[in-house]
Amino acid sequence: QQPVQSPQAVILREGEDAVINCSSSKALYSVHWYRQKHGEAPVFLMILLKGGEQKGHEKISASFNEKKQQSSLYLTASQLSYSGTYFCGTSPSPSLSYNTDKLIFGTGTRLQVFP
Amino acid sequence: DAGITQSPRYKITETGRQVTLMCHQTWSHSYMFWYRQDLGHGLRLIYYSAAADITDKGEVPDGYVVSRSKTENFPLTLESATRSQTSVYFCASSERQGASYEQYFGPGTRLTVT
Repeated sequence: QQPVQSPQAVILREGEDAVINCSSSKALYSVHWYRQKHGEAPVFLMILLKGGEQKGHEKISASFNEKKQQSSLYLTASQLSYSGTYFCGTSPSPSLSYNTDKLIFGTGTRLQVFP
Repeated sequence: DAGITQSPRYKITETGRQVTLMCHQTWSHSYMFWYRQDLGHGLRLIYYSAAADITDKGEVPDGYVVSRSKTENFPLTLESATRSQTSVYFCASSERQGASYEQYFGPGTRLTVT
C-alpha cells in the first residue's frame, strides 16, 4: 500500500515553516525523503530508520514515529530553493516481509515558496 | 562521466512496438531500480535488481521485462508498448540494501506511446 502524504500542496512565503506528513497502514522499517524539482530527477534528502531518530539537513529535519507508522518532514525558514515536490518512500518492517529492499513512494506533496 | 545515465532521454513509439530503455551506472552499486512516474501516482516501482542476474518484481511489473547481465547496466524493455505505458521512467541505484541506503536517480526518460 502506498503511504499517504499530506497535505497534497503547500504554498509559502520565504521564511515561513511547513510540515509534510507521511503515513503508512503497515509497520515500517525505514522512511526515505526525496525532493524533486520540476523536470528533474528526485534527489535524496534523508533516511530515517526504525528507532524514532530525528535527522536534520540544513533547515530541513524529519522524525519517524514507529508506533504511529508515520514520518514528518519539517522545513523551517523556507527558501525559494525549497520549492519542488517532496516524496516519502517507505519499506515494510522485516516482521511483515523478508524483503525490505523495496521502497513504496507516496504521491508527493508539492511545495511552492514565493518571495 | 561518473554517475547514472539513461538513454534515450525522449522517445516516441507506436502501440505494439518493442522499446528498450537503457540505464547505466558507474559506481558499481549492487542495487538498481526502475520506476515510472505519472501524475497522481508518484513514483511506482516496476522492477528492481539486487545484483547481476538477480531481479524481482515491484508494484507494476506487467508489460515490462528486465535483465541484468552486468552490474552497471539495467535495461527495461516494453515488449509490446501500450498507451497506458506513456510515462516518465526513472532508473535508480543504491550501494546496498535499498531500504537502508539512499537511492540515486538518473535523469529520466520521457516515453510517449501513440
